[in-house]
Amino acid sequence: ETGVTQTPRHLVMGMTNKKSLKCEQHLGHNAMYWYKQSAKKPLELMFVYSLEERVENNSVPSRFSPECPNSSHLFLHLHTLQPEDSALYLCASSHPKAGSTQYFGPGTRLTVL
Amino acid sequence: GQNIDQPTEMTATEGAIVQINCTYQTSGFNGLFWYQQHAGEAPTFLSYNVLDGLEEKGRFSSFLSRSKGYSYLLLKELQMKDSASYLCAVRGKIKAAGNKLTFGGGTRVLVKP
Repeated sequence: ETGVTQTPRHLVMGMTNKKSLKCEQHLGHNAMYWYKQSAKKPLELMFVYSLEERVENNSVPSRFSPECPNSSHLFLHLHTLQPEDSALYLCASSHPKAGSTQYFGPGTRLTVL
Repeated sequence: GQNIDQPTEMTATEGAIVQINCTYQTSGFNGLFWYQQHAGEAPTFLSYNVLDGLEEKGRFSSFLSRSKGYSYLLLKELQMKDSASYLCAVRGKIKAAGNKLTFGGGTRVLVKP
């Protein structure tokens, strides 16, 4: 089941660029998540939105700025990134209640030069 | 905090059985998930355990012992397409909203003919 889409699928950017990642879910969920997946490291939760309100921010640097305009859309705005920010960025959605399964999008492969 | 351990890699033969162990230490426990992730793709949900015991779904089964902080995923009648990473994730203390998961590093399973 892949009712979560992400664009772009691949992104290469310089350290001075500003770009945005987009996520859209068609599952009727009202909680959305951003994760970072780096090589050889576990999936790291970055942000959680529930009912369009940010409820979790896992000490993520301010060069990452999330936005959730409605329950179906989630953005991650990027500016002045570092090469170590190169990773796979995954979006997920779920119902907010305990035990609800999170469904993931295909991810955006980000390379920072 | 949360700490989740699983083996990095396992190799098995087509048609065989493989058991992937996951141990966790968490400040609270409200369920354990297993996900499958093929290279370059989104993680996909396999199973959810919140009570002790075995959950069976076709060729895949998942077991949980809360007192031991231990789970395993059992893959039977292995097929070549089962070659993937398998991610163990724990939901900790329930917060006001959202559904926060902490992931292990994943176990890469290689199925050989």
